Amino acid sequence: RKEVEQDPGPFNVPEGATVAFNCTYSNSASQSFFWYRQDCRKEPKLLMSVYSSGNEDGRFTAQLNRASQYISLLIRDSKLSDSATYLCVVGNSGGGADGLTFGKGTHLIIQP
Amino acid sequence: SQTIHQWPATLVQPVGSPLSLECTVEGTSNPNLYWYRQAAGRGLQLLFYSVGIGQISSEVPQNLSASRPQDRQFILSSKKLLLSDSGFYLCAWSIGAEAFFGQGTRLTVV
Repeated sequence: RKEVEQDPGPFNVPEGATVAFNCTYSNSASQSFFWYRQDCRKEPKLLMSVYSSGNEDGRFTAQLNRASQYISLLIRDSKLSDSATYLCVVGNSGGGADGLTFGKGTHLIIQP
Repeated sequence: SQTIHQWPATLVQPVGSPLSLECTVEGTSNPNLYWYRQAAGRGLQLLFYSVGIGQISSEVPQNLSASRPQDRQFILSSKKLLLSDSGFYLCAWSIGAEAFFGQGTRLTVV
């Protein structure tokens, strides 16, 4: 089983719609969770951390379900500029970034 | 604020040639530093990480090596490139679990 698994998409979504995607992870001892955004041919950039209680940042909401071992990202009122690949990232050891495992990403296309 | 610089942005090298990619971080001391590779259609793969000057850990056996001659400098090298070394190479730093990436080097070995 892959350590971090995401639906690669692409998700084609009209502007203004709400879109959600999930990511599953295999290591039940995982301690940290993040969503990164990667634009075409650019470096990944941290979008948000994911906390046990769930967290919201503007139009973006992230949630963690430890029992089912998945995290989710919800984007409301989607904008054309939200088009990107979204990487699910899970931290598996002692707190350092060397313990991070990256998913292959979900490709999102917002259509006008 | 912290910034990370990585160069060159793109590179085309013949098989068998050497490689040197450089990464520097500003605005922080004693960061953890990382080299990742992202091949087409694949996820990010951790190649090396360093917790201090001269300290390098390798995650996968490969044709590459890394060095950290100064606190905020991290270098990725190869003596002889292979076709399979092509990819998008990313330097990153962290304090804690969050990683922050440089702009990346797109390497094509021909």
